[in-house]
Amino acid sequence: EVQLEESGGGLVQPGGSLRVSCAVSGFTFSDYSMNWVRLAPGKGLEWVSYISGTSNTIYYADSVKGRFTVSRDNAKKSLDLQMHSLRDEDTAVYYCARVSLDYSTIDSWGQGTLVTVSS
Amino acid sequence: SYVLTQPPSVSVAPGKTARITCGGDNIGSKSVHWFQQKPGQAPILVVSYNDERPSGIPERFSGSNSGNTATLTISRAEVGDEADYYCQVWDGTSDHLYVFGGGTKVTVL
Repeated sequence: EVQLEESGGGLVQPGGSLRVSCAVSGFTFSDYSMNWVRLAPGKGLEWVSYISGTSNTIYYADSVKGRFTVSRDNAKKSLDLQMHSLRDEDTAVYYCARVSLDYSTIDSWGQGTLVTVSS
Repeated sequence: SYVLTQPPSVSVAPGKTARITCGGDNIGSKSVHWFQQKPGQAPILVVSYNDERPSGIPERFSGSNSGNTATLTISRAEVGDEADYYCQVWDGTSDHLYVFGGGTKVTVL
């Protein structure tokens, strides 16, 4: 069974940093690209970042480019999102999500971890 | 980057049919995927590749895609179908790879 479990969310002040992580099991992690997607209060789903199976290809949404860094450790079956210079508008539930093998969509999601940016 | 437009809300009576649209420039040339998300839960894929149902999704959920509009149809709506629904496409022409529509709140009453 495919499982994705996020951790690391919490309360952080504006301008601060936070690292959220995702532990996966039930599939060959290195075979799959991964996404981070977030859901802000009262808003819709927003794609945040993409990383290929080998980490050779990485993309970010314009809203987080230059502030967030995605990485993965295939040996540890883990995915990370390092967030810096956090803003109020970064407050959201952050989901770890597995990309389908043809890259067109997301076929598995974690339950999410809440990041709250507030003073 | 590519933009997907959904109505903010749709209401449907129990047992009737709800249709949720997703507009985009020549969206008919893309594969459209639909997610259902209930409060406090992760999204789940209810229709993929325009009109395919993943395993475990009821036949009441169907999709179509042509021209500038994709549509998710929920037949014989049930109270348990109340949720937010999002359309999604992959945009390989820009760095913004995964595009979601703004979401549609479906109310069954």
